[in-house]
Parts: sequence; structure tokens; C-alpha cells
Amino acid sequence: QLQLQESGPGLVKPSETLSLSCTVSGDSISSTSFYWAWIRQPPGKGLEWIGSIYYTGSTFYTSSLKSRVTISVDLSKNQFSLKMIAVTAADTAIYFCARRDPMLALDPWGQGTLVTVSS
Amino acid sequence: DTQVTQSPSSLSASVGDRVIITCRASENIHSYLNWYQQIPGRAPKLLIYGASRLQSGVPSRFSGSGSGTEFTLTIDSLQPEDFATYYCLGSYSALGTFGQGTKVEMK
Repeated sequence: QLQLQESGPGLVKPSETLSLSCTVSGDSISSTSFYWAWIRQPPGKGLEWIGSIYYTGSTFYTSSLKSRVTISVDLSKNQFSLKMIAVTAADTAIYFCARRDPMLALDPWGQGTLVTVSS
Repeated sequence: DTQVTQSPSSLSASVGDRVIITCRASENIHSYLNWYQQIPGRAPKLLIYGASRLQSGVPSRFSGSGSGTEFTLTIDSLQPEDFATYYCLGSYSALGTFGQGTKVEMK
């Protein structure tokens, strides 16, 4: 059974870098046809797709975050990661990772991890 | 990027009611539209993919329809466990755009 699990610091200071990892278990991150995605949700608000990566390293980022975000993949650890630079309080959110299939469906999702940006 | 407009933002309904939620895309996204249910404190759950295909394990009272720019999610005979927030997700590119969400509350 495919499972995803986010990990990383729950508190980041303003202007610093947010770093999260998503560990995939139950399948290889190198599976063809699937992308791996990061999504976030500010407390009490809606969902925002941050970006996606293919196992080859090909990436896609939402235009509003493109200048601050990097998504990478580590095949040896079966993980993919998110880095976001120069964070502000507006980046406080629950961060989810998920698998994206060719129909754009995101499934399954990790349980999510809350990242708070505060000094 | 494709823009997706979801309506209504909230609705009140009773157990047994039929509920209809709509999403409109800013461009033709064919059938690249999915629906999710989110319960507070939980990750979203995929209900419908490809606009009308029911995800395995999802009750048949959930159905999706539409193509191009207009899509609907229908819940027939609303059950107590269906009170939640619903999101559509659509795109015709490598990234998707979520609708604003519809909170289904008990009347």
C-alpha cells in the first residue's frame, strides 16, 4: 500500500528557508507516469498546489511561488523534497505531499505537516 | 495558469438531500477535473477523477459530470459523514488549480 509521510521543522523564522521531505513507501518513486507534488493549506483556508517533480528531476512550479521554491528528488532514499526561501508569515500552512497520476488526480496524500513562520 | 471558480462557497443541507457543487474552468480542460472531500484535520480524499470516474471505495451516491469548462459534483442522499468541505482541482497542464472550496454544513 502506497504511503507518503512529510517530515521537517515545524517552526521557521521569517526570511529563512523552509525545508521539508516526503518519504514514499510501498512503491518506487521512479514509477513511470507518476509525478510527485507539494500542496499547502494556510490555516482555515483553501488548497494551493506548489509544484511537482518527475523522477527524472523535471519540475513544474506554480507561477506565484516559482522564484522561491525548489523541489528535488532523491531516488536512493525514495524521497522528494521542498525548499522555500525567504519565508514570511504568509507561508504558515499545512504542507502536504501527494502522488499525481496522468489524470492529474492527487492520491494518496501524506497526513500533512504544519509549518509556522514566526520569530 | 488555468483558473477554477467553484460555487457555492458554502451551503446548508439536511441528511437525505441532494447536493450539487459546480466548478468552472477558465479554459477547456477536457476531463482533467477531480473532486476531493476534506474533513477538518485530515488530508483531502479523492472522490472523483477524470470528471466522472468514481475512485475505488467511494460510495456511489457521489457522482461527477461535465467536460470542457463546466463540471458538477452531485451527492445523492446526503449522509451524516458527508458534512465536510469539497474542492475541485483542474488543469490542462502539469500543475493544477484548486477551486475555492464548498463547505457543506448541516441545516
